Amino acid sequence: IAGITQAPTSQILAAGRRMTLRCTQDMRHNAMYWYRQDLGLGLRLIHYSNTAGTTGKGEVPDGYSVSRANTDDFPLTLASAVPSQTSVYFCASEHSLGRQPQHFGDGTRLSIL
Amino acid sequence: DQQVKQNSPSLSVQEGRISILNCDYTNSMFDYFLWYKKYPAEGPTFLISISSIKDKNEDGRFTVFLNKSAKHLSLHIVPSQPGDSAVYFCAARSEGAQKLVFGQGTRLTINP
Repeated sequence: IAGITQAPTSQILAAGRRMTLRCTQDMRHNAMYWYRQDLGLGLRLIHYSNTAGTTGKGEVPDGYSVSRANTDDFPLTLASAVPSQTSVYFCASEHSLGRQPQHFGDGTRLSIL
Repeated sequence: DQQVKQNSPSLSVQEGRISILNCDYTNSMFDYFLWYKKYPAEGPTFLISISSIKDKNEDGRFTVFLNKSAKHLSLHIVPSQPGDSAVYFCAARSEGAQKLVFGQGTRLTINP
């Protein structure tokens, strides 16, 4: 079934550790996005990529980095995790032609202790 | 600065009645609006959208209304069903931009 796969589904991490959240899509979508969802704040964009080889900063990029080596994969890295990065992280993708809705993965629940 | 606001964190509606979820925005450059539905432990799923050239879009039980002068959109669900219980997010996008701006979400509960 075509879609977006995120891994892991959940993780508990000690502060200061490095963590990479994985995201893979098989729909050949050009654009990919990382959001975090926090209670009362909705979904906020962390980083995005319009096409393979390019990335951009979203609304809350500090403490996060991304790469887009190919069309399918868009990993999100926390270089040194802090408790304020405790959140649910969603990866999304869309075809960039025309007005298309974004498709989301099922999320990664991350707790930083 | 919250450009897209959903001022009701929660809404409770009786099964069979109409559910109305509201969303306000401040950026007049937004020209495309979407509603997403989210169940627990799942990602948001696209529900319905509307372009700023329209004031209404209907898809089955779901209708989205856009009032550009008031910078307000609403999602009507009629009749409401128990499976509609979820968190609903509205989102907006500016012309030429791919990035979506989301509201805070409204938790809808449909009571039997």
